[in-house]
Amino acid sequence: GNSVTQMEGPVTLSEEAFLTINCTYTATGYPSLFWYVQYPGEGLQLLLKATKADDKGSNKGFEATYRKETTSFHLEKGSVQVSDSAVYFCALGIQGAQKLVFGQGTRLTINP
Amino acid sequence: EPEVTQTPSHQVTQMGQEVILRCVPISNHLYFYWYRQILGQKVEFLVSFYNNEISEKSEIFDDQFSVERPDGSNFTLKIRSTKLEDSAMYFCASRPRQGARETQYFGPGTRLLVL
Repeated sequence: GNSVTQMEGPVTLSEEAFLTINCTYTATGYPSLFWYVQYPGEGLQLLLKATKADDKGSNKGFEATYRKETTSFHLEKGSVQVSDSAVYFCALGIQGAQKLVFGQGTRLTINP
Repeated sequence: EPEVTQTPSHQVTQMGQEVILRCVPISNHLYFYWYRQILGQKVEFLVSFYNNEISEKSEIFDDQFSVERPDGSNFTLKIRSTKLEDSAMYFCASRPRQGARETQYFGPGTRLLVL
């Protein structure tokens, strides 16, 4: 079946640290991959996406590369800010299916 | 920027009561979704809706659940007789087109607590 596994949280870092949140997937067919972010008290917002192998999605200093060989879509940022504190969700979409399949979410806290 | 809105933001209800959760999708979108997230668990798909009918549903979406687009702008999720295990955050989403590459846009959620 289709599934997404994210690294366990919570993750706590200091400002300006390097961030990696791991995401691996299992999918039939050719999925599209997404990172959503949920800031406190808000809904899920699309952070970035990649729709085919070797694509790199990027936004707000975050990047993730669709790696078909390792079935991964790890989220990275070179220098995090306090405002990046949120819950991050990795998700996949399968052609021909309506739904997104989500990982369990990773809570990130950045300390000043 | 257009956004998906949901009301209410919080709802508390007694077990066995009916609840209706409301969503206003982005106006030119054609595909509509409900997801839920039980506290501490994954976001789970419930149902998708297109052209005034359900296009896909999960095993969670049993006879106690129904969806409706009554007036061309609202999209509602009804739980007929709530159970304790229905307590969760419910997210509405919409997207303009079909296709796995298309982004789903989410609302802020309704937190439902069943007592």
